[in-house]
Amino acid sequence: AQKVTQAQTEISVVEKEDVTLDCVYETRDTTYYLFWYKQPPSGELVFLIRRNSFDEQNEISGRYSWNFQKSTSSFNFTITASQVVDSAVYFCALSEAGFGNEKLTFGTGTRLTIIP
Amino acid sequence: DTGVSQNPRHKITKRGQNVTFRCDPISEHNRLYWYRQTLGQGPEFLTYFQNEAQLEKSRLLSDRFSAERPKGSFSTLEIQRTEQGDSAMYLCASSPAGTSESDTQYFGPGTRLTVL
Repeated sequence: AQKVTQAQTEISVVEKEDVTLDCVYETRDTTYYLFWYKQPPSGELVFLIRRNSFDEQNEISGRYSWNFQKSTSSFNFTITASQVVDSAVYFCALSEAGFGNEKLTFGTGTRLTIIP
Repeated sequence: DTGVSQNPRHKITKRGQNVTFRCDPISEHNRLYWYRQTLGQGPEFLTYFQNEAQLEKSRLLSDRFSAERPKGSFSTLEIQRTEQGDSAMYLCASSPAGTSESDTQYFGPGTRLTVL
């Protein structure tokens, strides 16, 4: 069975600080995808990134960066120079790949509050 | 290109009543998913369609729940004889099949159900 653990329930940082959100996953599949979604107060889940299990390259997109390490089954998300607009609940998710139904298994989320 | 839309956005009903929600996916997307999210939790998979075929249902989907996608476009989720435990946010997502993006699900704004 697949499982995603986000041990940090809530994090608060002062604006412009860097913050890292942790994600640890469990799966027996050798081929899978990892995702991060953002859920602002409006409630809509916003897709941020998808990472294939065969691609361990770190990725940077503006102030966002992701660190994927298969050895520790982790897919951590760092926001650099945080802004108030980054305040939201962030979810890490996992799906099997290649079987047609790529249903997502989500973690419980990390609520991030950026203090101005 | 419009995103996934869901109606209604909010629904308040009395215990025992039936409710129906609608999801309109992104137009080229032939995969459609329903998830349920309760307070403080990540979304949980309910069911999945490829075109008009319902290919998988979670054990979370009791006999009181039924979902359809009659023409492979919009989908409806009906809950009969609602119970207070059905109170949750119901999220719909869609993804394209057969492309490099087929594993990426895009979510709608959700329908928040409150059962009194």
